Amino acid sequence: AQKITQTQPGMFVQEKEAVTLDCTYDTSDQSYGLFWYKQPSSGEMIFLIYQGSYDEQNATEGRYSLNFQKARKSANLVISASQLGDSAMYFCAMRAWEAGGTSYGKLTFGQGTILTVHP
Amino acid sequence: KAGVTQTPRYLIKTRGQQVTLSCSPISGHRSVSWYQQTPGQGLQFLFEYFSETQRNKGNFPGRFSGRQFSNSRSEMNVSTLELGDSALYLCASSLARGRSETQYFGPGTRLLVL
Repeated sequence: AQKITQTQPGMFVQEKEAVTLDCTYDTSDQSYGLFWYKQPSSGEMIFLIYQGSYDEQNATEGRYSLNFQKARKSANLVISASQLGDSAMYFCAMRAWEAGGTSYGKLTFGQGTILTVHP
Repeated sequence: KAGVTQTPRYLIKTRGQQVTLSCSPISGHRSVSWYQQTPGQGLQFLFEYFSETQRNKGNFPGRFSGRQFSNSRSEMNVSTLELGDSALYLCASSLARGRSETQYFGPGTRLLVL
């Protein structure tokens, strides 16, 4: 079984500053993927960034980067140059798979962190 | 390319009724997954369909069921609705060609059970 823990229920950041959202995970699987999604008040989940367990480099996507520390089982999201539109709920999620497994669909989510960007 | 669409967007039902929600995946996507989101339980996986077959199922009672059609569109059904079924139901699709595949979500269906 997989478990995702997001310990920050809410975070505040000033516009144009960087912010780190924490995520730790627990799994006994060797192969897994970590995802971050953004959920505005409208409800739609927006994919931000992906990190595979065997990826040697930290993933980056524009203003988003993932600080992946495999030994610590953490996958923190860093948002640089925060914008007012970044205010939303952020979810860390993971998908693990056994050798020979074919299921790609099951994501396990954390409880989320509400990010508020102040002008 | 159009994103994942879900219908209806909002729904109000009473206890004991049944409901069917629909999801149309991104064109070319073969896998459809469903999730339930509530304030208390967060986001929980319901089931995944691929090529009209249920490939994975979460820990939900048998009142929750789903299916996938040959065009990859999917429906989920909840029978004998309970107050606790009030939630945002999210559908996600992916190409399902590799393990790093990203799931793309629809806007969700907000179900209120009275």
